[in-house]
Amino acid sequence: QKEVEQDPGPLSVPEGAIVSLNCTYSNSAFQYFMWYRQYSRKGPELLMYTYSSGNKEDGRFTAQVDKSSKYISLFIRDSQPSDSATYLCAMSATTGFQKLVFGTGTRLLVSP
Amino acid sequence: SAVISQKPSRDICQRGTSLTIQCQVDSQVTMMFWYRQQPGQSLTLIATANQGSEATYESGFVIDKFPISRPNLTFSTLTVSNMSPEDSSIYLCSVGPEYGYTFGSGTRLTVV
Repeated sequence: QKEVEQDPGPLSVPEGAIVSLNCTYSNSAFQYFMWYRQYSRKGPELLMYTYSSGNKEDGRFTAQVDKSSKYISLFIRDSQPSDSATYLCAMSATTGFQKLVFGTGTRLLVSP
Repeated sequence: SAVISQKPSRDICQRGTSLTIQCQVDSQVTMMFWYRQQPGQSLTLIATANQGSEATYESGFVIDKFPISRPNLTFSTLTVSNMSPEDSSIYLCSVGPEYGYTFGSGTRLTVV
């Protein structure tokens, strides 16, 4: 079993839809959770960074962490064609010099 | 966030040769990391580049194959040695934990 599981998609939605992207994990020591967006032929771009359980909102993006279920989500409101990309979740046990463990990424396609 | 310049952006190399990838950051950072991203797979940490000392390699990666240098707090290189087609991948430089963990745009390597 992988430490981090993420549905590879693709997930296809119409413009304006609410998108839900999810990851599950098995290591209960993970406390720091990140979401990255990666456009084709580009490096991953950090979108959201959260600690422990709860919600964090930034513009159209909301990150949600449920540590009891070992489940994290990224919601995108009013999705735009420019949101079409691969979304990777990543997590770490500490903020220190621990390596990040990544999901395989979910490819999102937003059609006009 | 830190701005990372990674060179080359892509290369096609003959098997048995070596390629050195450069990572330059616009500000001093504590940690620099090298990742590999193979098609359809999650990012895999190769090593942590330590300033003034040997790099710390992850399981499955060895210094003879992936020698790393980090002469100062803004620059690092990764060499892929004695390449084979299995080394064809995207290689990514990352820095952190300041500004979260930020990635360069990657080097797309094809070995023929």
